[in-house]
Amino acid sequence: DTGVSQDPRHKITKRGQNVTFRCDPISEHNRLYWYRQTLGQGPEFLTYFQNEAQLEKSRLLSDRFSAERPKGSFSTLEIQRTEQGDSAMYLCASRGGGVNSPLHFGNGTRLTVT
Amino acid sequence: QKEVEQDPGPLSVPEGAIVSLNCTYSNSAFQYFMWYRQYSRKGPELLMYTYSSGNKEDGRFTAQVDKSSKYISLFIRDSQPSDSATYLCASRANSNTGNQFYFGTGTSLTVIP
Repeated sequence: DTGVSQDPRHKITKRGQNVTFRCDPISEHNRLYWYRQTLGQGPEFLTYFQNEAQLEKSRLLSDRFSAERPKGSFSTLEIQRTEQGDSAMYLCASRGGGVNSPLHFGNGTRLTVT
Repeated sequence: QKEVEQDPGPLSVPEGAIVSLNCTYSNSAFQYFMWYRQYSRKGPELLMYTYSSGNKEDGRFTAQVDKSSKYISLFIRDSQPSDSATYLCASRANSNTGNQFYFGTGTSLTVIP
């Protein structure tokens, strides 16, 4: 169990640019979540995958956001035409198949849009 | 009303003190309750995971759930400077699909040596 891995740890980009983040979940976990966290707030749900299927998306996930999990393993989160309001920590979490399995988080990607 | 409410603090205590962190929730369907610890610029780390009402103890940490009052607590005994972090409570309903994890805003704790 190497934990949830996210890359990059920090991304600085100019407004209007596209960015892509990667998440590698714990290997045996079939469920993967993306959250966004801003300063002083708890994680806010963005989207959820079970294997390769994206089963749920939050209203927070505007059309500029897209997430994929093509082979049911790693996942990517892309933000197009970034805005300053997109600056936040983007957290990935995974969990196993049991009904009582908790979320395990990675250390996040901190996005700064200038 | 948010699903999970948490006093953001900040909370400052001397080393060795007993710390009490609290959350309330609104959804009576919530069955699972979690506490996460988050250090600055890190992801949340799972501390405690409990089901339904009652207490769960792990070393210096005790999680307590009172479903009748929809109140969840985390107690830290003999607090250490290394406990200085933000503590997030979370809850979920008893279902095996979808997103049912709801987080509080976190309580910032500082333990002073």
